[in-house]
Amino acid sequence: DAGVTQSPTHLIKTRGQQVTLRCSPISGHKSVSWYQQVLGQGPQFIFQYYEKEERGRGNFPDRFSARQFPNYSSELNVNALLLGDSALYLCASSFSTADLRPSNSEQFFGPGTRLTVL
Amino acid sequence: EDKVVQSPLSLVVHEGDTVTLNCSYEVTNFRSLLWYKQEKKAPTFLFMLTSSGIEKKSGRLSSILDKKELFSILNITATQTGDSAVYLCAVIYYTDKLIFGTGTRLQVFP
Repeated sequence: DAGVTQSPTHLIKTRGQQVTLRCSPISGHKSVSWYQQVLGQGPQFIFQYYEKEERGRGNFPDRFSARQFPNYSSELNVNALLLGDSALYLCASSFSTADLRPSNSEQFFGPGTRLTVL
Repeated sequence: EDKVVQSPLSLVVHEGDTVTLNCSYEVTNFRSLLWYKQEKKAPTFLFMLTSSGIEKKSGRLSSILDKKELFSILNITATQTGDSAVYLCAVIYYTDKLIFGTGTRLQVFP
């Protein structure tokens, strides 16, 4: 079975540009979460989507947005890029359920997209 | 403010040593605690702990949760160079949202 996939693997942008990152969850998983990991830090939660609805949002500015498609894949968009947006962007999928049972909460991570903003 | 704190931040040991990594948390609506190993990019899942006092084991790795004192430990016995990585602790709260600690960087030398 394929794991979580993300594209692209690397991306270089300049300040002010916009970027779209993509994620495909494990087959059968309905929940996708996005994380930003700055060098030397743990991942920081950005968004979670379940069944195409936003389920949670972290403390990030409105320049960050996301959506989930009917096939459960997801996109993360970042507008007006800043130097500080340079990071590894991780996507994680989980089976999850509406009743949020812990047994379904294990999150599996993709390889990430390394974004560099110059 | 919800937070997860890991210690030590960094650890250097020789092969064969035993290490203990610590994770404490202050999180409302706690649901589960997870340990991940991160070598290059994607964190890989090690353990999920939901109940206090029940040790989980996988080979040379083991972990336990104390929900009264709000901490967890990850033990690695007979360390090998392949154990060198950043070990991340994360807490699931509310709607499957994960809050991570900063991680412990473990370096194992031959």
